[in-house]
Amino acid sequence: GQQVMQIPQYQHVQEGEDFTTYCNSSTTLSNIQWYKQRPGGHPVFLIQLVKSGEVKKQKRLTFQFGEAKKNSSLHITATQTTDVGTYFCAEENYGQNFVFGPGTRLSVLP
Amino acid sequence: NAGVTQTPKFRVLKTGQSMTLLCAQDMNHEYMYWYRQDPGMGLRLIHYSVGEGTTAKGEVPDGYNVSRLKKQNFLLGLESAAPSQTSVYFCASSPLPRGNEKLFFGSGTQLSVL
Repeated sequence: GQQVMQIPQYQHVQEGEDFTTYCNSSTTLSNIQWYKQRPGGHPVFLIQLVKSGEVKKQKRLTFQFGEAKKNSSLHITATQTTDVGTYFCAEENYGQNFVFGPGTRLSVLP
Repeated sequence: NAGVTQTPKFRVLKTGQSMTLLCAQDMNHEYMYWYRQDPGMGLRLIHYSVGEGTTAKGEVPDGYNVSRLKKQNFLLGLESAAPSQTSVYFCASSPLPRGNEKLFFGSGTQLSVL
């Protein structure tokens, strides 16, 4: 079945530093979604990428979809303590459900 | 608008006991899902439903059963709980994945099996 890999598993940064998490798939994706889960909370949708090479920005967050549509990245510029949480990528599975990556847990030290 | 509601929020079971987790959504979504979340393993799909009266197996279905008798409800049952089923369970719903719609998650159920 489909497998989604994410690296790194954990990332500790000083507040103000940048952060990047990478998502890689074994198959060519029709689209990819990103979710954020705050500690003790539930996953919340951030964004969806559909087109090859697509780049989308949400304030300090930049999302990118690879040219081959097999990988994606999430970059946070100048992290803040409010960015703490686990970031998941998710890929659609034959239009039936979603397969999630293992997530990257981000800690931000003030 | 409540969105996706899960009950209960916490539960402790003894090995061999049974229980049912309830998920209700008020967004008229067609698709509903049950995921479990374990440390370092992300979210793994247990079962899902593409419409009222239909269910399908996900990645880790063993030891669980589900039912979707009404469009707004999706029940997850554990017939004989095992310690390996200690986890956080999330229910989610979406309009139609083929339309690339996002998932809406409930707040989760923390289940401990002793």
